[in-house]
This record gives sequence, C-alpha cells and structure tokens, in this order.
Amino acid sequence: DAKTTQPPSMDCAEGRAANLPCNHSTISGNEYVYWYRQIHSQGPQYIIHGLKNNETNEMASLIITEDRKSSTLILPHATLRDTAVYYCIVRVIITGNQFYFGTGTSLTVIP
Amino acid sequence: NAGVMQNPRHLVRRRGQEARLRCSPMKGHSHVYWYRQLPEEGLKFMVYLQKENIIDESGMPKERFSAEFPKEGPSILRIQQVVRGDSAAYFCASSPRQHNEQFFGPGTRLTVL
Repeated sequence: DAKTTQPPSMDCAEGRAANLPCNHSTISGNEYVYWYRQIHSQGPQYIIHGLKNNETNEMASLIITEDRKSSTLILPHATLRDTAVYYCIVRVIITGNQFYFGTGTSLTVIP
Repeated sequence: NAGVMQNPRHLVRRRGQEARLRCSPMKGHSHVYWYRQLPEEGLKFMVYLQKENIIDESGMPKERFSAEFPKEGPSILRIQQVVRGDSAAYFCASSPRQHNEQFFGPGTRLTVL
C-alpha cells in the first residue's frame, strides 16, 4: 500500500471549515483513499473514502485531485468534538486486509 | 445495532501472566481484525480472521501471541507470558465483507506491571 504524508498538527476555529490535506503521490490506480479519525483514547472512527470522484457524507467531504496524488478532507463546520487525530490511508480495496495508520494530523478545534 | 464490543476495557497483568482480550463484532460481521497501538504511535495491524480461520497474521509477533475466532462466541487475542513491552491499547475491528471499511471497538488497554 502507498504511503501518505500529512501535516503533524493543525488548528481550526470553531464553526469554520477544517481542511486537512494529504499527499499520496505514489498511489496506484486501484488504491482508494480512506479517512479515519481517533478521538483521544477511543477506537478509530471511519469518516469517508473515495477513488477518483469527490465524495460527501453527513460527516465530511473528500476532494481528490485529478491526478489523485493528493486529497483534502473537509469538515464544513468544525466543532470542539471534532478535535482528534485524522488519518489518511490508501488501500487496495480488492486485496488489502489491513489499514496502515501513520501518525496522522492532530486537529485542534479552538473555541 | 450495537457496535463492536471489547472487554475488558482495562486489563492489568504482572510479567509472566497471560492476557485474554475479547472482541464481539458488529451484528452481521464475520470478519475481525486486531490492531495494537503503542503509546504515541499509530495503530499497527496484527491479524485478520474470518469465522474459524486465520486469513492474515503477517503483523502478529511469532511468539506468545495467538488469535482465534470460533464458530460461536467472540474473537480472542491471547498473549502468553506478558512482558512490559506488551503494554498498549489493543483494538478490534469488524467488517461485513473482506476489503470493506472496518468499524473499530473502544479498545482494551493492557498494562503489564
């Protein structure tokens, strides 16, 4: 599975959009981009995933560049409860059994 | 629909004892994954099981660690003769099918004295 690069930490003001970037320049054509988050000491929580097209669900939006070398997770209106470590993971959906969790981005939402 | 359940949530063992961690997957999920998270690190995959079968144990230490997922009952991660380096959070995840997104439990925090 390809590696990803994320900034180690970010701050965001409460109520504003949080934009979390991820670089995955060696991604293969059959690898999906997944986002999970881990709120302090809890189990990781699935957020969203996509292959090529932008995706949106009730939690977030995922914007993937046309060349698929990077993506951005958008939390449209960040709340204090969104403070967590966010993991960007690429995974071969056909054969991958595991998720490779790197060190992620520690997002702090500030009141 | 209850989520993934793990117990105990906290487990304290002395060096040399055995630790047994249990995981009940979400209803309808027959695929179980175990991960370990050392302090200040990301999660590391250990093993993937489907009912009664170990599918991928590439992340499992070769000694002292074993896992099972019997036909009836929860999945068990067993650590024999625990050492201080085994102190970590152990997370279980489940999915309805192979290669789907995985849903994680709250974890078991093992402390070895």
